[in-house]
Amino acid sequence: KAGVTQTPRYLIKTRGQQVTLSCSPISGHRSVSWYQQTPGQGLQFLFEYFSETQRNKGNFPGRFSGRQFSNSRSEMNVSTLELGDSALYLCASSSTGHLTDTQYFGPGTRLTVL
Amino acid sequence: GQQLNQSPQSMFIQEGEDVSMNCTSSSIFNTWLWYKQDPGEGPVLLIALYKAGELTSNGRLTAQFGITRKDSFLNISASIPSDVGIYFCAGLIAGNTGKLIFGQGTTLQVKP
Repeated sequence: KAGVTQTPRYLIKTRGQQVTLSCSPISGHRSVSWYQQTPGQGLQFLFEYFSETQRNKGNFPGRFSGRQFSNSRSEMNVSTLELGDSALYLCASSSTGHLTDTQYFGPGTRLTVL
Repeated sequence: GQQLNQSPQSMFIQEGEDVSMNCTSSSIFNTWLWYKQDPGEGPVLLIALYKAGELTSNGRLTAQFGITRKDSFLNISASIPSDVGIYFCAGLIAGNTGKLIFGQGTTLQVKP
């Protein structure tokens, strides 16, 4: 079974621009969660999607948004980029997102905002 | 909000030594997970724990779900150079679907 894939792996943007990151979950997995990883804040939960609906949300501003498609693939969008948005963005998939379902992570997208 | 306090922050040990790290929280968690992350990669699951008091092994790794559901530890026995990396604990709370809460990580360095 193929693992979680994320594209692109690296992105460089400038302040004020917007960016879209993509995540393809493991086949059969319907829950996709997104995380931001920075040296200062560690791994922080952004949001979780299940069956095309946002089911859970972390404490990030509205500039961070996401969506999920009928094939469970997910995208996240960051608008009006700020320098502090530079981070590794990770997505993870699981069967249902519930307690006993393991989350498997992709390799991440490294976003640099200049 | 929920937080996981992971310690130690970093460890520098000799090959062959045993390693122990732990996570504590003021909140009750229903699932505890331990991940390892190599540079430039996403976290890889090492051990998952689902019941209070559960003790689970995966090769040289052993982890336990604390009886109070507020803590967990990970032991690595007879460390080898490829154990180098960052280890994270993570927890899930019932009703909070898909939302892992992570510890700050323990950076492990192994001297051959």
